[in-house]
Amino acid sequence: EAGVAQSPRYKIIEKRQSVAFWCNPISGHATLYWYQQILGQGPKLLIQFQNNGVVDDSQLPKDRFSAERLKGVDSTLKIQPAKLEDSAVYLCASSLAQGSYNEQFFGPGTRLTVL
Amino acid sequence: LAKTTQPISMDSYEGQEVNITCSHNNIATNDYITWYQQFPSQGPRFIIQGYKTKVTNEVASLFIPADRKSSTLSLPRVSLSDTAVYYCLVARRRDDKIIFGKGTRLHILP
Repeated sequence: EAGVAQSPRYKIIEKRQSVAFWCNPISGHATLYWYQQILGQGPKLLIQFQNNGVVDDSQLPKDRFSAERLKGVDSTLKIQPAKLEDSAVYLCASSLAQGSYNEQFFGPGTRLTVL
Repeated sequence: LAKTTQPISMDSYEGQEVNITCSHNNIATNDYITWYQQFPSQGPRFIIQGYKTKVTNEVASLFIPADRKSSTLSLPRVSLSDTAVYYCLVARRRDDKIIFGKGTRLHILP
């Protein structure tokens, strides 16, 4: 079974530029998550989708971050404009169904460096 | 919030049993305890989940006392490849959330 795919794996941009990350979850997984992981810390949830609807985006900095999940499958996360403090690994995860007790399957992440 | 507290880091040797204890004093009645493992340059990976007493799978065992205010992840006969960060989480039923802390950095020595 294919895992969660993310691209690109690495991205270096200058502050105030824009960047987009792509995620393809495991086939059949209805729930998709985007996390931000700063070096030395655990992942922090940015946004959670159930199919193509947003369940939780309470920690998404909406002035610069946006995310969509068209057709309830692939998802993109965008940052515009980027700040130095956005340097982190952005992880995408999916689970079969909504619910905190459901196992989340994580992708390898995209490492973003903002200069 | 059922905040978790676990050691920042631990060292052990190959072949030893490693026990990582996590405290979650404010755990609610319907919450589950979940552990994830994260290797460098990879996303976290689910290890084990439990509600009470003992759960065992091919990777680890999870011990949860009756009061459920703590739990212990047990890794039998560790190898160098078990070097990773281990996160203890409470899967909250109230709002269906899990929250990652800083985890425990486990370093296995030869």
